[in-house]
Amino acid sequence: GAVVSQHPSWVICKSGTSVKIECRSLDFQATTMFWYRQFPKQSLMLMATSNEGSKATYEQGVEKDKFLINHASLTLSTLTVTSAHPEDSSFYICSAPPWTASYEQYFGPGTRLTVT
Amino acid sequence: KQEVTQIPAALSVPEGENLVLNCSFTDSAIYNLQWFRQDPGKGLTSLLLIQSSQREQTSGRLNASLDKSSGRSTLYIAASQPGDSATYLCAVAGGTSYGKLTFGQGTILTVHP
Repeated sequence: GAVVSQHPSWVICKSGTSVKIECRSLDFQATTMFWYRQFPKQSLMLMATSNEGSKATYEQGVEKDKFLINHASLTLSTLTVTSAHPEDSSFYICSAPPWTASYEQYFGPGTRLTVT
Repeated sequence: KQEVTQIPAALSVPEGENLVLNCSFTDSAIYNLQWFRQDPGKGLTSLLLIQSSQREQTSGRLNASLDKSSGRSTLYIAASQPGDSATYLCAVAGGTSYGKLTFGQGTILTVHP
């Protein structure tokens, strides 16, 4: 089946620093990937759509200069949280649809970010 | 704007019971609906995907139905087991934004021995 990986699985960083999170499709190519954020006890909220070869599209209320997305290849998208603050602490999850006909989404295992 | 609601928010049942989780959505113009399972601190596992043209899907002890016109879906779990304990999330893909999912708040299921 389709497998999506994320790295790192968890990261702790100091306030003001930047953190990069990788999302990889291991056995398929993905021209589009999606980044979600999940706060404790809450559901997932879509942050942005990562498009291979073009700029990402961000959902309303998400700061594109703070959450930099780069879809470097057909199997890799990265999310960089710049100048992180404690309120950015969250669970970040990416997804990708391996088959555009059904658009079934497969999710990565998530990255737990803690900003101190 | 699409809104997805899941009822109940939490459910505790003894092992062996059959149970139903409910999901409703406000905009019936969906591309598909997907049910996921999430274990604490983990990512999402896809359980069932129902295309907008379908009425139900089955996988093992799981059965999901979709009534697009009324904006409802149910996930039926037969003969529940302690290993089924997790949070179950319902998500809909919009009619024109195929990959963007709108999630419900989830149902926390506990199956006790």
